[in-house]
Amino acid sequence: GAVVSQHPSRVICKSGTSVKIECRSLDFQATTMFWYRQFPKQSLMLMATSNEGSKATYEQGVEKDKFLINHASLTLSTLTVTSAHPEDSSFYICSARDGQGSTDTQYFGPGTRLTVL
Amino acid sequence: DAKTTQPPSMDCAEGRAANLPCNHSTISGNEYVYWYRQIHSQGPQYIIHGLKNNETNEMASLIITEDRKSSTLILPHATLRDTAVYYCIVKGNTDKLIFGTGTRLQVFP
Repeated sequence: GAVVSQHPSRVICKSGTSVKIECRSLDFQATTMFWYRQFPKQSLMLMATSNEGSKATYEQGVEKDKFLINHASLTLSTLTVTSAHPEDSSFYICSARDGQGSTDTQYFGPGTRLTVL
Repeated sequence: DAKTTQPPSMDCAEGRAANLPCNHSTISGNEYVYWYRQIHSQGPQYIIHGLKNNETNEMASLIITEDRKSSTLILPHATLRDTAVYYCIVKGNTDKLIFGTGTRLQVFP
């Protein structure tokens, strides 16, 4: 149980285009999902918290107009990188919070590697 | 969130127990200790979490000291596939997961 998928796993795009990444919780409902970014040889950096049916909460320094987040259902959140540039190339990872039981645990997707040419 | 301190790297022989320490001296009473690991180019994998009692599951054991200021993740019989970066994270029940730099565990044959 507690499986989170991401699509696509890898994407290459031209500078200036927009890229959408999907994150799905496959066997549980997630009222909250999170988006992280990871640069080579660095740790994961939290970008934003996505709540179903409401606006996302962005961490300091993350541009909300550049990284559009939509959480339209309890099993799906999307991250759109708008007008992507080479510096946006990174490993994007989502997680979903499974709130069942006495404590919540976050489960992570396999990640999406974005390369902007 | 309480800050954690982990050694940057550790080695372990295959088949032996891997004991990964974590210091969290400023942990609050309602904060849990979570462990995740990240194998190269994959998303983090949940391992185990606990509040104050020791915990064990099919992957690992978590030993938390009585004062809760430190903990140890134990992989009882390490395999080459356990080579990964291990993250110890302290957080309240509905708080965000904030990753530090973790411990890079290398299991060798």
